[in-house]
Amino acid sequence: AQSVTQLDSQVPVFEEAPVELRCNYSSSVSVYLFWYVQYPNQGLQLLLKYLSGSTLVKGINGFEAEFNKSQTSFHLRKPSVHISDTAEYFCAVSGGTSSGSARQLTFGSGTQLTVLP
Amino acid sequence: KAGVTQTPRYLIKTRGQQVTLSCSPISGHRSVSWYQQTPGQGLQFLFEYFSETQRNKGNFPGRFSGRQFSNSRSEMNVSTLELGDSALYLCASTSPGQGYTFGSGTRLTVV
Repeated sequence: AQSVTQLDSQVPVFEEAPVELRCNYSSSVSVYLFWYVQYPNQGLQLLLKYLSGSTLVKGINGFEAEFNKSQTSFHLRKPSVHISDTAEYFCAVSGGTSSGSARQLTFGSGTQLTVLP
Repeated sequence: KAGVTQTPRYLIKTRGQQVTLSCSPISGHRSVSWYQQTPGQGLQFLFEYFSETQRNKGNFPGRFSGRQFSNSRSEMNVSTLELGDSALYLCASTSPGQGYTFGSGTRLTVV
C-alpha cells in the first residue's frame, strides 16, 4: 500500500519570499512522484514529476523538488513566490511500472499556499 | 495537442437519479483514470481503464461504474445518487513514462 503525508495544511508566505512545501511518502515498491497545483474551480495541473534519473527535478513556474529516497521525501520549493502562486498543492505517488493497485495515484491531503502582499 | 476534456462542467441532480460523466483523453493516451474530490475525503481513486478493460478499481460501492470505448474515451456512471456523491469528479489520462494529465473536472451537486 502507498500513502502520502503533506505535513502542512496551510502555508502563508510573503511575496518574493522562498517557500518549501513538505511531502513524505511510503511505498513497498519503487515510485513515481508528482506535484500538482489546483486553482479554485479548476482541475489539477502537473507542476513536476520524478520518474527516474536526477533526484532534483525542475518544473513549471520556477518550482523544483528533490527526491530523497532515504528520507522518503519529495519536498517542493520555490525561491521567490508571487501572488499568482496562491493555490492548493498536492503531492502524489504511484507505483511506477508496478501492476495492479500500486499503479494508481495516491494523493496527500493538500497544502494551501497563500502568498501575502 | 488538445488536453483532457471532461463534459459537462457542472451538473445538478436529485437524490435517486443516475448520472453519466464523459472524458476524452489526450490523443494517443490509452489509460484513463477517474478520481473523486471532496472536502472531507480529499482525492480518491475510483477506477482505471486501459484498452477498454478495467485494470484497477478503488474502494467505492457498485453504484459507481465506468467503461472505455475503442477510441479511449471513457464514461463513468453513478446510479441511485446520494447527497454524499456531491463532488468534483476528475479524469486523467496517461501513457507509459509520462505523468497523469487531468481534465478540468465535472462538478456534481446532488440535491
